[in-house]
Formats: sequence, C-alpha cells, structure tokens
Amino acid sequence: QVQLQESGPGLVNPSGTLSLTCAVSGGSIISDNWWSWVRQPPGKGLQWIGESYHSGSTNYKPSLKSRATISVDRSKNQFSLRLSSVTAADTAVYYCAKKSHDSGETPGAFDIWGQGTMVTVSS
Amino acid sequence: DIQMTQSPSSLSASVGDRVTITCRASQSITYSLNWYQQKPGKAPKLLIYSASTLQGGVPSRFSGSGSGTDFTLTISSLQPEDSATYYCQQSYSTPLFGGGTKVEIK
Repeated sequence: QVQLQESGPGLVNPSGTLSLTCAVSGGSIISDNWWSWVRQPPGKGLQWIGESYHSGSTNYKPSLKSRATISVDRSKNQFSLRLSSVTAADTAVYYCAKKSHDSGETPGAFDIWGQGTMVTVSS
Repeated sequence: DIQMTQSPSSLSASVGDRVTITCRASQSITYSLNWYQQKPGKAPKLLIYSASTLQGGVPSRFSGSGSGTDFTLTISSLQPEDSATYYCQQSYSTPLFGGGTKVEIK
C-alpha cells in the first residue's frame, strides 16, 4: 500500500519560498498517477494547488500557477512543491496526495494522502 | 470555471438518523464527483468516487448518487464515529472541492 510523508520547514518568512517534499513508499512514483499538493488554511476548506505526472507534466490552480512549481524526483521516489513570494495567506496545512489517472482504479480521486504538515508564514 | 456548492454547511443529527448532504456543480460534470470525510487534525479520507462507487473499507451506510450537476452523499444510519466534515470534489476538470459540510452528533 502506497504511503506518503511530507517534510519541510514549518515556518517561512514573508516574501520567501515555501519548499516541501513528499516521500512515496510502498510503491513507485513511476506509475499511472498524478502526484498532487492540497492545502487547508486554518479553519477553512481544501484547496488543490497542483500536480505532476512522473514524466514531468504538470497542472496548477490558475491563481497559483505563477508562484507554484511541482517536480518529481524519480531516483528518490519523491515529489516536491515550491511556492514563491509567500504571504500570510499561504499559511496552511499542506497535504501531498496521490490522484488516480482518469483511467485508474479511482479515476480523478485523491485516494492516498499524507498526514499533512503545517506551514506558517511569519517573520 | 466550474463552481461547487455544498449544502448545508453544517448539520446536527442523532445517532441512527438518515443524513443527506448535497453538492451542486455550476455545469455538468457527468459522474466525476468524489466524496471525502475529514476528522479534526487528520487528512481527508476518500469515501466515494465516480459519484456512487464506495471506496474499499468504507462502511456500507455511506452511499452516493447523482449525475450531471446534482449529487448526494447519504449516511443511512448515523454513527458517533461519523462526526466529521465532508467534502465533495469534482474531477471533471481542474480539481475543485466544495466548501464542506460539518456533521455533528446531537
């Protein structure tokens, strides 16, 4: 069973860059899945940030596209999120998640999630 | 852009009650609708995908229905462990979650 684990700094300075990594275990990142990031501001709902396929193909939420970069490291079986020019509005729990391809077992659904990591933007 | 509207935003019901949560899309998303359960401090858990298919290991008291623009999540007999926030998510285009429904036990 695939498991995901986020890691990265819990505190980021305003105007800085948020960097998180998601380690994939129990399965290969080279599979028919989209590797995704979802965030949840305190007390609020879920917001999809973007996703990457193992080939490097990516999709992003339009409002975050200019600041977000998601990349896959096939050699380390992990994927990463970089979010630049952060503000307090980027304070949230960040989840990595596996989303099945449209032809997969759970098409388009986020079927595996990491436990989440809280990132606070503050000086 | 497709908008997702969930209702109600919260509800309170008794153990054994039948509970219904609605999710409406601003345009047709065929059957591309998924439901999640999230408990405080935990990651969301996939309950139902493709509008009505129960994810493995999910109790059969959960069911989903609908197509096009209107979808429903039903809990046939509410249990104490069902206290959580429920989210719908459309997978027809760029992933988007509904605003959530908080279910409390009376």
